[in-house]
Amino acid sequence: DTGVSQDPRHKITKRGQNVTFRCDPISEHNRLYWYRQTLGQGPEFLTYFQNEAQLEKSRLLSDRFSAERPKGSFSTLEIQRTEQGDSAMYLCASSGDRDSAFFGQGTRLTVV
Amino acid sequence: AQTVTQSQPEMSVQEAETVTLSCTYDTSESNYYLFWYKQPPSRQMILVIRQEAYKQQNATENRFSVNFQKAAKSFSLKISDSQLGDTAMYFCAFTPPGNTPLVFGKGTRLSVIA
Repeated sequence: DTGVSQDPRHKITKRGQNVTFRCDPISEHNRLYWYRQTLGQGPEFLTYFQNEAQLEKSRLLSDRFSAERPKGSFSTLEIQRTEQGDSAMYLCASSGDRDSAFFGQGTRLTVV
Repeated sequence: AQTVTQSQPEMSVQEAETVTLSCTYDTSESNYYLFWYKQPPSRQMILVIRQEAYKQQNATENRFSVNFQKAAKSFSLKISDSQLGDTAMYFCAFTPPGNTPLVFGKGTRLSVIA
């Protein structure tokens, strides 16, 4: 297993467009987390899944954001009608029941 | 609400020297986990060390060790024999039991100077 994988690594989009990011967790991990990180800040929690169930969503996750994890495997994070304030690094992490969280390399989103 | 505070935005250290990064946290939980993560420039977040609050013994991982003071809610990271590859952002993070989402501090940018 090569760890947590995120795709794409970089995305440039025009304001108002929709974007979708994908995260493939470590295969035996049942928990999957999405975070957002802006320049000079620590990661901020967005949402997380245990298997296919979305257990918690942050207040940061506006109605324009939606996340899915069909079949409890990979996850997607979609942002509709992107705004310049959505520009950030989107990080995915996964963990087992008693494990520490392991992070992917992130998707850097730039909204122009 | 749980919060994590890193009071040192930037630090520097000479190669081969020792440096200590500070972290304090606030929680009403009695059991929890604390972590230090490293994020090198343009690279992914890597787990450095983990401490379980019910364990009194401080965690160590090779050149990395922590000073965990539960009563003071303090969790500092000591890096011994600093290497150029230690240059990175270091984030302190907290989570209560149950693998709930991590709460991160704002990070400390560490530069190791040759």
